Amino acid sequence: KQEVTQIPAALSVPEGENLVLNCSFTDSAIYNLQWFRQDPGKGLTSLLLIQSSQREQTSGRLNASLDKSSGRSTLYIAASQPGDSATYLCAVKGTYKYIFGTGTRLKVLA
Amino acid sequence: SQTIHQWPATLVQPVGSPLSLECTVEGTSNPNLYWYRQAAGRGLQLLFYSVGIGQISSEVPQNLSASRPQDRQFILSSKKLLLSDSGFYLCAWSVQEGLETQYFGPGTRLLVL
Repeated sequence: KQEVTQIPAALSVPEGENLVLNCSFTDSAIYNLQWFRQDPGKGLTSLLLIQSSQREQTSGRLNASLDKSSGRSTLYIAASQPGDSATYLCAVKGTYKYIFGTGTRLKVLA
Repeated sequence: SQTIHQWPATLVQPVGSPLSLECTVEGTSNPNLYWYRQAAGRGLQLLFYSVGIGQISSEVPQNLSASRPQDRQFILSSKKLLLSDSGFYLCAWSVQEGLETQYFGPGTRLLVL
């Protein structure tokens, strides 16, 4: 049974810092891995999707890496801003289903 | 472009009352559809998914049910709500063919009193 873990559960950093969010999964047989952002009381917004054959994806200040063999992914946020404050979730996809981690709650202080 | 709608946005219901939450998708056909529940501190839990009209797979045993009467309509129901049904319910869709991303609706916050 696939299990997805995210560390840390919460993170508070000053504006401008570079930071890394971690995601680990127990079963390496995945189709893809996605990172989502969720603002309080809102739905999820997809940030980056990495196919199982890829090693990383970049979008603006965000970079996500995938090491399938070790069951790990990281989301790197460069030059953090207060607007980056949100909960970040990773999810791995099997045949039909996505299994989500419990998220990392990020607060960027101005 | 594709959009996904959920309603109502917020709902307060007494224990034992029925429930019907609706999700509709526009701008795509034959999507995979999903219902998730997000309870405080417990992450996103997949409740049901559907790969076609009338095809529903249940992930967890509970007093909830789902139906897909039309290609782009997904309904979450209960005959009698429990206190533990309180949470944030999210509908999502993805394309049928394998590897694409999953798109989420705005969610329904349900409080059972």
